[in-house]
Amino acid sequence: AQRVTQPEKLLSVFKGAPVELKCNYSYSGSPELFWYVQYSRQRLQLLLRHISRESIKGFTADLNKGETSFHLKKPFAQEEDSAMYYCALGHYQKVTFGTGTKLQVIP
Amino acid sequence: DGGITQSPKYLFRKEGQNVTLSCEQNLNHDAMYWYRQDPGQGLRLIYYSQIVNDFQKGDIAEGYSVSREKKESFPLTVTSAQKNPTAFYLCASSIRVGKGGELFFGEGSRLTVL
Repeated sequence: AQRVTQPEKLLSVFKGAPVELKCNYSYSGSPELFWYVQYSRQRLQLLLRHISRESIKGFTADLNKGETSFHLKKPFAQEEDSAMYYCALGHYQKVTFGTGTKLQVIP
Repeated sequence: DGGITQSPKYLFRKEGQNVTLSCEQNLNHDAMYWYRQDPGQGLRLIYYSQIVNDFQKGDIAEGYSVSREKKESFPLTVTSAQKNPTAFYLCASSIRVGKGGELFFGEGSRLTVL
C-alpha cells in the first residue's frame, strides 16, 4: 500500500536559515509527488509537483527514487513561509497525504 | 468566481443524528474528493469520485456515505455509525482522472458532535 511519511510535526528555524522538510514515501509503481501548503486562515493549495521541476517561492524538491524521498528545501527561510506543509503522493485516482509538518520561522 | 464551495462552515449535531456536508464546484472538474483532517493525522481520504454516478471508498469510509448525481456536486453524509465524527472535513476537486493531479480545496467544514 502507498504511504507518505513526514517525520517532523514541527520544524522551527530562524529567518535566513536553510529549511528542509522531510518526506519519504512507499509505493510500488512510478510515483507522482506533490507538496501542498496551508497558510493561516487560507485554503490548502499546491506548492509544487515533482514533474514540473520548478521552484516556487524559493522552494524546490527533488525526487530521489533510490531513497524514496521528496524533501522540500529552501536556502533562506522567510517569515511568510510559516505554514503547514503536506507531502502527497498521487497514484491512479487517489492522492495520499502525509501527516504534515508545521514550519515556524522565527524572526 | 470559480472554485469549490463547502457549506456549512460550522455544524453542530447531537449524537445519533446524520448530517450532510455540501460540496459544490464550478471548475468543470471530473474528480472530487472528501478528506478528513485531524490534528497530527494529516488528511485521510474518505471517498472519491471520478465521474458522475460513480464513487469509491477511500481509507476511512466507514460511517460515511456520498452521492454524485451531478458533476458539480459531491455531498458527504456523516452517519450515526461514524464513531468519532468530530473533525474538520475538506472537499477537493481535480481535473485529472487517472494519476492524481493537482487538487483544489474548499475552505472546509468543521463538524462538532455534542
